[in-house]
Amino acid sequence: GAVVSQHPSWVICKSGTSVKIECRSLDFQATTMFWYRQFPKQSLMLMATSNEGSKATYEQGVEKDKFLINHASLTLSTLTVTSAHPEDSSFYICSAIPGLDNNEQFFGPGTRLTVL
Amino acid sequence: AQKITQTQPGMFVQEKEAVTLDCTYDTSDQSYGLFWYKQPSSGEMIFLIYQGSYDEQNATEGRYSLNFQKARKSANLVISASQLGDSAMYFCAMREGGTNFGNEKLTFGTGTRLTIIP
Repeated sequence: GAVVSQHPSWVICKSGTSVKIECRSLDFQATTMFWYRQFPKQSLMLMATSNEGSKATYEQGVEKDKFLINHASLTLSTLTVTSAHPEDSSFYICSAIPGLDNNEQFFGPGTRLTVL
Repeated sequence: AQKITQTQPGMFVQEKEAVTLDCTYDTSDQSYGLFWYKQPSSGEMIFLIYQGSYDEQNATEGRYSLNFQKARKSANLVISASQLGDSAMYFCAMREGGTNFGNEKLTFGTGTRLTIIP
C-alpha cells in the first residue's frame, strides 16, 4: 500500500517557539493532504485540508495564523505550529490520498508534540 | 449532533472469540462512505475496511466484516476469531458527499478501546 511518512516522530519545544512538521507521500503524488490533531484518549479532529499549489482550507475554530500549512509539492506538506503553547501539545497526524479513488486514505505515523 | 457515534468506550474479549464494535452515523447525504481504522499504541492509523452507501453487499476484508444497516444508519465492525494483536483503539469514520474530488475529508467517532484477553 501507499506510504506516508512524518518527521519528526516526536518533538519537545519551549513555549513561544515554532515547530515544523513534515508529511511526505513516499511512493505516490498527493494533490490533497489532511492534517488532524488528536488529544490524549480522544478522537482525530480534522484541522485543515492542504492543497498543492493553493491555500489550505481550515476547519472552523482552527487558527490559520497559528497553524501554517504549506503544500509546496505533490509529495510534501508542512504544518508549522507558530508560537507554540502547552495547550498545543498533541498528536498531529497527516493523511493523503494516492489517486482519484478517495476510498483509500493513508495516514502518516503521527508526530507527538510536547510544549513545555 | 454527533455525526459518528461509538457507544462502547472499551471492550474486553476473550481470544479467538468474535467481537462486534458498534458505530452509528448521521448524515442527510445519499452518497457517503464509511470507514474503520485501527490505531495501536504506536499511534499509526491502519485502514481496515470501507463500505459505500450504495454498496448492496456488506464489505469484508479477511477477518473484518462490516455489518451495514442503512435504514438504521449503523455500520458495525465485526472481527472474527480475535487475536492478541487486535488489541487497539478502533475508530469509525465517515466521508460525506460521494466520491467527487473535494469530498475526501473524514469525520471520526470517539473510538472503542478493544482489549483481547488471552
